[in-house]
Amino acid sequence: DAKTTQPPSMDCAEGRAANLPCNHSTISGNEYVYWYRQIHSQGPQYIIHGLKNNETNEMASLIITEDRKSSTLILPHATLRDTAVYYCIPIYSGNTGKLIFGQGTTLQVKP
Amino acid sequence: GAVVSQHPSRVICKSGTSVKIECRSLDFQATTMFWYRQFPKQSLMLMATSNEGSKATYEQGVEKDKFLINHASLTLSTLTVTSAHPEDSSFYICSARDPRTSWETQYFGPGTRLLVL
Repeated sequence: DAKTTQPPSMDCAEGRAANLPCNHSTISGNEYVYWYRQIHSQGPQYIIHGLKNNETNEMASLIITEDRKSSTLILPHATLRDTAVYYCIPIYSGNTGKLIFGQGTTLQVKP
Repeated sequence: GAVVSQHPSRVICKSGTSVKIECRSLDFQATTMFWYRQFPKQSLMLMATSNEGSKATYEQGVEKDKFLINHASLTLSTLTVTSAHPEDSSFYICSARDPRTSWETQYFGPGTRLLVL
């Protein structure tokens, strides 16, 4: 699985967009980019995933660069409840299902 | 989305006793479930893959005789921490794959906080 690099922490003002970057320069062609988040003392929550096209759902948008070496998760209007650790995880399509969590980015949304 | 529950949410036990944690998929059948452990201020670490009707697959360094996993039905996996010691105190989280969605999307339980005295 590809190695990822994420900033350890970020701050964002409530109501503003939060842009969380992830570098996955060794990602291979059949690896999807998955994003999960973990709010304090809870189990992780799936957010979004993509292969090469940009994706949007009710929670967030995912922008993947054309060379697929990095991606950005966008929370368009961050709220205090979005304060969490965000994990970017490349996963092979059809893999065994094992998720290897890195250190992620701790996003602090401030009023 | 799919719902996964865990029971109990927190447990305190004496050193040397065994503790069982249940993980249930509430609205879907899960042939595969996963168990993670998370120490304070650290990331989640995968312990084992639980397969319905067969033996669990443990990650390197995880003692299979200490962390017993049983996946007897398509909606229930259990993790038993045998002869627990204070160093086993941790946050245990399970997850399950919903076969109705993409193979890689997992749904996590709320976690069980174990404190061994």
